[in-house]
Amino acid sequence: GAGVSQTPSNKVTEKGKYVELRCDPISGHTALYWYRQSLGQGPEFLIYFQGTGAADDSGLPNDRFFAVRPEGSVSTLKIQRTERGDSAVYLCASSLTGNGANVLTFGAGSRLTVL
Amino acid sequence: QKEVEQNSGPLSVPEGAIASLNCTYSDRGSQSFFWYRQYSGKSPELIMFIYSNGDKEDGRFTAQLNKASQYVSLLIRDSQPSDSATYLCAVNPRAGNNRKLIWGLGTSLAVNP
Repeated sequence: GAGVSQTPSNKVTEKGKYVELRCDPISGHTALYWYRQSLGQGPEFLIYFQGTGAADDSGLPNDRFFAVRPEGSVSTLKIQRTERGDSAVYLCASSLTGNGANVLTFGAGSRLTVL
Repeated sequence: QKEVEQNSGPLSVPEGAIASLNCTYSDRGSQSFFWYRQYSGKSPELIMFIYSNGDKEDGRFTAQLNKASQYVSLLIRDSQPSDSATYLCAVNPRAGNNRKLIWGLGTSLAVNP
């Protein structure tokens, strides 16, 4: 697509529920990143995919968080047993490659609210 | 010490003035530096990137990098009300990948008509 598309744009859920957030990167971009951003903070790195594989998942806060990118395009971030502290805007970004010279293009984000 | 530091602001400038945004970083080996603009409720969008010491100009925007002093700045000339946003500084600490950009908290800029 023309830009990075994220769905849903807003998700309200109850504590303990399971949530999936979807990201459709720019066509042809091999690198895909998930960040999350809390109010007044900069984006916090979660995970990076190069193609289908998670090249770096060191930013995932704990094992309740998991992400996949089975065909090297669309990615899904999965959060199990959600907690109130998971409330944030989850940003997906893509770049042409994972090279440091490539610019990240962000999607509009998925705002997650855990009640 | 935070890895990437920015004054949170708000920085308030009159329309037409020069806005100067500063960012310092702790990792002396950092390779590339990015300025993103984020409007309230929106996602970050790239304004400029810079890799080499010195100035880089793009329209009304100039990025300045001083690796010896470990700071990078963004100047906005002829500031417009539409420039009012939060400006995020991001640093790539290693060559060859940008997966772990380290972000500052952002500086809020208000341009007053």
